[in-house]
Amino acid sequence: DSGVTQTPKHLITATGQRVTLRCSPRSGDLSVYWYQQSLDQGLQFLIQYYNGEERAKGNILERFSAQQFPDLHSELNLSSLELGDSALYFCASSQTGGRTGELFFGEGSRLTVL
Amino acid sequence: KNQVEQSPQSLIILEGKNCTLQCNYTVSPFSNLRWYKQDTGRGPVSLTIMTFSENTKSNGRYTATLDADTKQSSLHITASQLSDSASYICVVTPLQGGSEKLVFGKGTKLTVNP
Repeated sequence: DSGVTQTPKHLITATGQRVTLRCSPRSGDLSVYWYQQSLDQGLQFLIQYYNGEERAKGNILERFSAQQFPDLHSELNLSSLELGDSALYFCASSQTGGRTGELFFGEGSRLTVL
Repeated sequence: KNQVEQSPQSLIILEGKNCTLQCNYTVSPFSNLRWYKQDTGRGPVSLTIMTFSENTKSNGRYTATLDADTKQSSLHITASQLSDSASYICVVTPLQGGSEKLVFGKGTKLTVNP
């Protein structure tokens, strides 16, 4: 158990809909990362938050947005969903967000768009 | 462009045998190189982290090596067990930037058969 909690574990929805994925980082970790993993693809970095502030953006679509709340949990919002958005979405956390920090991953949220 | 290439894509071995997975990268300069184990449908779990100055790191039956001159790393698994069946992901952190800059390989899918 990494200590990172993601909900829901599975989600099935239709094209055009909007969903929210939730992540609670490990106790004491200030940095939260979101990744997308499509079938047989590597992990793609979406966005990072540090202590409530956006720190870095990766290949995140405009239809996607995220935020980190004062209690440090984070939410990833995916809207106007398309079939190609079906993927595993992982949240990871680290203490500081620096390049030497250990990343701890949650179990992921599997999104299926029909 | 920073890239991490892993080989083979997939590998099937018998329980008790040893195996070696390869990782070639173009990231330069880099801060550290990590190996993760990802069970199907689960989040990645860290196996080893090596800085650019280290050339070997062990974690039980897992031994990672690093040759910064040739930009190659390998993960050796000794006396494989059924539970070693998973994808193994090589990740390189560039020297510039923080953990948001991690470059992920697509992984090697290892199947250990009885």
